[in-house]
Amino acid sequence: EVQLVESGGGLVQPGGSLRLSCAASGFTVSSNYMSWVRQAPGKGLEWVSVIYSGGSTYYADSVKGRFTISRDNSKNTLYLQMNSLRAEDTAVYYCARVSAAMDVWGKGTTVTVSS
Amino acid sequence: DIQMTQSPSTLSASVGDRVTITCRASQSISSWLAWYQQKPGKAPKLLIYKASSLESGVPSRFSGSGSGTEFTLTISSLQPDDFATYYCQQYNSYSEITFGQGTRLEIK
Repeated sequence: EVQLVESGGGLVQPGGSLRLSCAASGFTVSSNYMSWVRQAPGKGLEWVSVIYSGGSTYYADSVKGRFTISRDNSKNTLYLQMNSLRAEDTAVYYCARVSAAMDVWGKGTTVTVSS
Repeated sequence: DIQMTQSPSTLSASVGDRVTITCRASQSISSWLAWYQQKPGKAPKLLIYKASSLESGVPSRFSGSGSGTEFTLTISSLQPDDFATYYCQQYNSYSEITFGQGTRLEIK
């Protein structure tokens, strides 16, 4: 079964760091484009980052320089390293496989940035 | 950046109605447009990709059309399970993906 499972969310103070993980099963992360999307409480969807199968990475302006997307091929897992976190980064973070569009999504992990 | 504008923001309709949601792009995105359905507390679900291609397993009452800057999602006969929020998404370039602000479809 094709599946994505996120983990690593939690409560962190402003300025802190967190690393999210997204474990894939049923397909190979490194053969696909993979993305992170977030949703602040009561708000719409916001694209955060993408990693191409070739390894190129891209970010939304709102997280550029603070977040880093990566993957571990041996673990078939996608990551999002989040540094210098701000209150406005509070959201549910989803990972998604990018095929024709985002065709497989995880259930999400919640990040709360608060003192 | 390509901006996506959905209308309406909220739509009230009844079971059996035909409804249409519109999405406009700030510049041409060819047919690189997807539609998603999201229910409260759940991840988005892909309905339509490449403007008009129906994702596997999605009921045929959902359809998409358009190209360039104007796109529509149509539900031909609303079912109780269809009341949700719908988002369009452009992926003209995978390095700069943007979503519309969402359309909440509610029961009249």
